[in-house]
Amino acid sequence: QVQLQESGPGLVEPSETLSLTCTVSGGSITSHYWSWIRQPPGKGLEWLAYIYYSGSTNYTPSLKSRLTTSIDTSKNQISLKLSSVTAADTAVYFCARRLLTPSGFHGLDVWGQGTTVTVSS
Amino acid sequence: EIVMTQSPATLSVSPGERATLSCRASQSVSTNLAWYQQKSGQAPRLLIYGASTRATGIPARFRGSGSGTEFTLTISSLQSEDFAVYHCQQYNSWPFTFGGGTKVEIK
Repeated sequence: QVQLQESGPGLVEPSETLSLTCTVSGGSITSHYWSWIRQPPGKGLEWLAYIYYSGSTNYTPSLKSRLTTSIDTSKNQISLKLSSVTAADTAVYFCARRLLTPSGFHGLDVWGQGTTVTVSS
Repeated sequence: EIVMTQSPATLSVSPGERATLSCRASQSVSTNLAWYQQKSGQAPRLLIYGASTRATGIPARFRGSGSGTEFTLTISSLQSEDFAVYHCQQYNSWPFTFGGGTKVEIK
């Protein structure tokens, strides 16, 4: 059974770069899309980016200039970097996998537990 | 960007009763819509994809319907474990977007 685990610093200073890693265990990282989603305190979900195992990526337009995601198939890890953070980037950050069925890719069927990131000095 | 609007924001229901949650898209998403359940402090759980297909292990009391811009999640007989926040999400066009959520609370 595939499991995801996010890791990274819980506190980031304003203007710095937030860096997170998602480790995939119990299954292969190949043939799937891997995504990053965040949820500010008391608010809704925001899909930030996704990356295919081949390395192709897509970023939400509002954050595109600050976001980078990459994949390391040898380590079964996906990473996320968000630069120039502000208090508005304080959120729980989740990594997740898109469901793949014979009809294609769908919603997110496997999620990490999430990691809380606070932006503060 | 497609805006997803969920209603109501909060739904008060007694255990055993039916709950009907709505989700509207600002433009057609065909049937590329998913529903998630989220409990406090937990990650969301996929309930429905393709607007009406239950994900693995999801009980039959959860039913999704709709296409285009109007979607509904019906929980036929609410169990204690169903009180949570429900999110809809479109994956028809990037950026994929979520609704603001509906909180289903005990009446």
